[in-house]
Amino acid sequence: GAVVSQHPSWVICKSGTSVKIECRSLDFQATTMFWYRQFPKQSLMLMATSNEGSKATYEQGVEKDKFLINHASLTLSTLTVTSAHPEDSSFYICSATHAASGSGETQYFGPGTRLLVL
Amino acid sequence: GEDVEQSLFLSVREGDSSVINCTYTDSSSTYLYWYKQEPGAGLQLLTYIFSNMDMKQDQRLTVLLNKKDKHLSLRIADTQTGDSAIYFCAASQGGKLIFGQGTELSVKP
Repeated sequence: GAVVSQHPSWVICKSGTSVKIECRSLDFQATTMFWYRQFPKQSLMLMATSNEGSKATYEQGVEKDKFLINHASLTLSTLTVTSAHPEDSSFYICSATHAASGSGETQYFGPGTRLLVL
Repeated sequence: GEDVEQSLFLSVREGDSSVINCTYTDSSSTYLYWYKQEPGAGLQLLTYIFSNMDMKQDQRLTVLLNKKDKHLSLRIADTQTGDSAIYFCAASQGGKLIFGQGTELSVKP
């Protein structure tokens, strides 16, 4: 149980275009979803926290107009990278918390989406 | 705020035990986690421990928590080449997870 999927698994786009990444909890309803960014050989950097039906809370330094997060249902959150530039190239990972799990704070992670902006 | 530290590399021989260490600064962290990340993949939850526990064992994995010293360790018994990966320690804080830098475990045959 507690499976999280992401789509697409990788994407290549041209500079200036927008890219949407989906994060789904497949077998549970997610209380909260999180979006992270990871650079090669580095740890995860939290970008934002989102709850269904409310606006996402962005971490300091993360541009909310650049990284649009929509959390339309208890099983789906989307991250849209708007007007992407090469410096946005990265590995984006989402996670979700499961209210019925032993620890309500435990985060279950998706497989990640690799974005390359040319 | 919370700060989580890990050593960056560990190399062991197949069949030996691996011990990955982690220190954290915020004693109010309720849960502490170990995640495994293989190349190009997301994070896999290995185990977690509640802050009022000293030890938790799950098959080949043993987690030890020294709350006084704010020290967490993950022991992997009979380490296999398939255990080669990056292991992240994480502490809960205010509904978020604070991650260490990750320890790259290399298992040599």
